[in-house]
Amino acid sequence: TQLLEQSPQFLSIQEGENLTVYCNSSSVFSSLQWYRQEPGEGPVLLVTVVTGGEVKKLKRLTFQFGDARKDSSLHITAAQPGDTGLYLCAGAVFGNEKLTFGTGTRLTIIP
Amino acid sequence: NAGVTQTPKFQVLKTGQSMTLQCAQDMNHNSMYWYRQDPGMGLRLIYYSASEGTTDKGEVPNGYNVSRLNKREFSLRLESAAPSQTSVYFCASRTRRQGKYEGYTFGSGTRLTVV
Repeated sequence: TQLLEQSPQFLSIQEGENLTVYCNSSSVFSSLQWYRQEPGEGPVLLVTVVTGGEVKKLKRLTFQFGDARKDSSLHITAAQPGDTGLYLCAGAVFGNEKLTFGTGTRLTIIP
Repeated sequence: NAGVTQTPKFQVLKTGQSMTLQCAQDMNHNSMYWYRQDPGMGLRLIYYSASEGTTDKGEVPNGYNVSRLNKREFSLRLESAAPSQTSVYFCASRTRRQGKYEGYTFGSGTRLTVV
């Protein structure tokens, strides 16, 4: 079973600040996904990265897949209260039906 | 609205009782999954079904059974509930396009408490 570690576990920052959260593993993944989960709801897919070194942007969110495909980062610029939630990374290996989730980073943006 | 529908949303069981969690998707997805989410442990896969007629164990299958009733529906059964099964249960589905898996679509969850 692959282990995906996310850091930090909790993060609370002021509105307007920048932040980065990390997802690390000793395993190589064919693709990696990021999800955001709000209280009382299921996770919602934000992005999928598939190529080592790939960078994807979603408005103020920037996602990067490590060159070795073992890690990923999510950077948020000028955080807003609407960014509050649990951020989960999830990795897949080649040909494997199963997706492994990290334990998540709980982000709180203070107005 | 298209998506994954889970019922019930909340349930309280006594130890030893049985129940079935229902899940249905209307996106014509082939693959369906059951996860449980516990504080500090993330989402852990219980069972999955790669296609209609097939089911496989995930990371934490003990104490659970599943049925892929048809392409739309994938149910999770607890035969004899235990307090350790207190959790939030999520059903998800996904499909493959051009040979690549797409992201999961999750339901809104079932919050189960076993007393």
